[in-house]
Amino acid sequence: DIVMTQSPLSLSVTPGEPASISCRSSQSPLHSNGNYFFDWYLQKPGQSPQLLIYWGSIRASGVPDRFSGSGSGTDFTLKISRVEAEDLGVYYCMQALQTPYTFGQGTKLEIK
Amino acid sequence: EVQLVESGGGLVQPGGSLRLSCAASGFTFKRFWMHWVRQAPGKGLEWVSRLNEDGSTTNYADSVKGRFTISRDNAENTLYLQMNSLRVEDTAMYYCTRDLGGSQAFWGQGTLVTVSS
Repeated sequence: DIVMTQSPLSLSVTPGEPASISCRSSQSPLHSNGNYFFDWYLQKPGQSPQLLIYWGSIRASGVPDRFSGSGSGTDFTLKISRVEAEDLGVYYCMQALQTPYTFGQGTKLEIK
Repeated sequence: EVQLVESGGGLVQPGGSLRLSCAASGFTFKRFWMHWVRQAPGKGLEWVSRLNEDGSTTNYADSVKGRFTISRDNAENTLYLQMNSLRVEDTAMYYCTRDLGGSQAFWGQGTLVTVSS
């Protein structure tokens, strides 16, 4: 199974400041079609996860442009350029290259 | 509006069975791979199973293989998860998801399964 390791596991950010979350996969989630089968999700309190970034760097429909995804090989990063209060929750990375799909442990973002 | 509405969760004793349903609306259900993902209370996300568009291809997590069966009825726009030989460690919120790993990934609100004596 592909193991996904996130860091940090928690962070506290002042509104307006940037935030960054890293995720490392034990194998590259690069598909033969050239896309990384790697996503970022946000689970807000009491809600189901919502897609933020797919294929490593593409923002999902309706996701604010303060969110960006980057990375290659086995190392990926989610950046929030200016954190807003509504961004609190748990962020998960996920690989969808092979079954079982696997998730990182989650990074809890708190707002100062 | 895309909707995935799960149902069928509840309290069951170890060794018991439950059948979860996921009613889909607002999109062409038969065109998408569908998945089940679960989340134990206070824990992270665990992928459970997936099914292709016509139901001919399935995959399962090792933790549920041989006990859970995923299926779909494209005429009724419904996804199912038959869960047998339930264990305490199967206690979780079960989410129905569309196109997991794709550009149109969408999750339902979940149904809670509690396995306890």
